Amino acid sequence: GAVVSQHPSRVICKSGTSVKIECRSLDFQATTMFWYRQFPKKSLMLMATSNEGSKATYEQGVEKDKFLINHASLTLSTLTVTSAHPEDSSFYICSARLVEQFFGPGTRLTVL
Amino acid sequence: QKEVEQNSGPLSVPEGAIASLNCTYSDRGSQSFFWYRQYSGKSPELIMSIYSNGDKEDGRFTAQLNKASQYVSLLIRDSQPSDSATYLCAVDSSYKLIFGSGTRLLVRP
Repeated sequence: GAVVSQHPSRVICKSGTSVKIECRSLDFQATTMFWYRQFPKKSLMLMATSNEGSKATYEQGVEKDKFLINHASLTLSTLTVTSAHPEDSSFYICSARLVEQFFGPGTRLTVL
Repeated sequence: QKEVEQNSGPLSVPEGAIASLNCTYSDRGSQSFFWYRQYSGKSPELIMSIYSNGDKEDGRFTAQLNKASQYVSLLIRDSQPSDSATYLCAVDSSYKLIFGSGTRLLVRP
């Protein structure tokens, strides 16, 4: 299958700071990437669809000003959690679509 | 609201047995269906994709699709303890994946 990387794998930050997570498709170009969030023992929740060269499409209830998405190239999408708070602590996972969707390894965010 | 339903489990089977995981979906227009495996603390890994009615086999895994009944299943033959994980059913709906809540599978040695 296709390879998707994420960086960092784990981040701990203080409340009020911003955190940037990178998602890269390593062996294919992806015009569309997806960002998910997963709380413990819960299923994946789609946050937004990231489109190369245009604005991201956010799911209902997801604050676009808090979760900034930039898809600047065909292999890179970034998610910035702005002014993070403890309730933003979660497992953030990106995916990229070739024919099927392939997931990155995820980023575990802990906000103190 | 488009939904994908799975029994949360846990489904417990002895090593060497067949594990049967089931999924129903609400969107009749869906054309693509996927099974992902997720180990605790890890991201989902694609196991199978199926697009047409019937069975699709890949090694120890068989996916079954019945669009008339809006039903997808995954059979795991000769289950191994390493198969113990949560299995997520996903349905393509308007280019986005709708995930079920997952079924936890435990394979007893």
